[in-house]
Parts: sequence; C-alpha cells; structure tokens
Amino acid sequence: EDQVTQSPEALRLQEGESSSLNCSYTVSGLRGLFWYRQDPGKGPEFLFTLYSAGEEKEKERLKATLTKKESFLHITAPKPEDSATYLCAVQDTGFQKLVFGTGTRLLVSP
Amino acid sequence: EAGVTQSPTHLIKTRGQQATLRCSPISGHTSVYWYQQALGLGLQFLLWYDEGEERNRGNFPPRFSGRQFPNYSSELNVNALELEDSALYLCASSLAGSGNTIYFGEGSWLTVV
Repeated sequence: EDQVTQSPEALRLQEGESSSLNCSYTVSGLRGLFWYRQDPGKGPEFLFTLYSAGEEKEKERLKATLTKKESFLHITAPKPEDSATYLCAVQDTGFQKLVFGTGTRLLVSP
Repeated sequence: EAGVTQSPTHLIKTRGQQATLRCSPISGHTSVYWYQQALGLGLQFLLWYDEGEERNRGNFPPRFSGRQFPNYSSELNVNALELEDSALYLCASSLAGSGNTIYFGEGSWLTVV
C-alpha cells in the first residue's frame, strides 16, 4: 500500500531563515509526486508535480526536488505569508487518486 | 476560468440524518475525487469518479456514496450521520489519465450534532 511520511510535523522559522521540508514515500510505481499548500479552513492549492528522480521545479521562494525515495521542498528566505501547511501526495501508476501525507505546518515569524 | 466549486460551504446536521454535498469540476475535467479532512488529520481518500463511473473507493463504510452526472458534476451523500463524520469534505478534479494535476475546491464543512 502506498505510504507518505512528512517531516517535521511543524516548523517555526524566522523571516529570511531558509529550510527544507521532507516527504518520504513508498509506492509500487510512481506516476507523480505532488506538493500542495493549504491555508487554515481552505482547500489545498497546487504547487508542483514531479514525475521522475532528479527532477526539480521552482516557484518564487519554493523549490521542489525528487529522488527515488523522497522529495524535498526547499524554502529560501521565507516570508510570513509563506506560513501554511504544506502537503505532499503520491499518485501511483495503478490509480489516479492521490495518497497524502499528514503535512508540515510552517510558521514564519517576522 | 472558474475553479472547482463546492456547495454548500457549511452544513449542520443532526446525528442519523443524511447530508448531500455538491461539486462542479473545472471545465473540461472528467475526473472527480472526494476527500475527507477531519480536524487535525490528513486528507483521506473517499471516492474517484470518471466518465460517470465510480473508479475507486477508499476505506469508508457504504453509507458514504456518491455519483457523477453527465455534465461531470458530482455529489457526495452521507447517510446515517455520525458525530465523527464532522469534517471538511474536499472535492477535486482533473483531466482523465494519471499524472494530470488535481485541483481542489475550497471544501464543504459538515458539522454533525
């Protein structure tokens, strides 16, 4: 069965203090690894999809990377508006559904 | 272009009643997914519909059911509501085929009292 584990559960950063979030996964055949951002009480907002090991994608202060076992979401010089829960999910080749991790709650203080 | 829309935004029901939640996918998307997010918990997969057919179901009891209409909109029905059904219900849609981006709506909050 597909499994996704995210760490840390919560992360507190000062504005400008770069860090990385981890997503470890087990899947029979990876079709895609997805990153979402979720604000309290809202639906997840799509950030990135990564399809193969070695792939990287960037958007503003965020950069996602993928290996055969894990993905990292690097946050460079974060701002308070980056505070949110970041969710990782995998899609295997058998089904279109996403299997989610429990997320990392990020708080960036000014 | 409109995103995934869900209604109602909030719903309060009494234990034992039935709840119906509705979802309109992004135009052109034929796949619709339903997820449950209980307070403090992760997103749990409920149902996946494509071209009007149920393609996959998560580990939920049969009182959770749904359907997809010819216009690809969908509804989720929850019968015999229990207190633990209180959660944010999220609908998502995508183009058919794996690997396509799955976009979420803002969700429907269901409170069972």
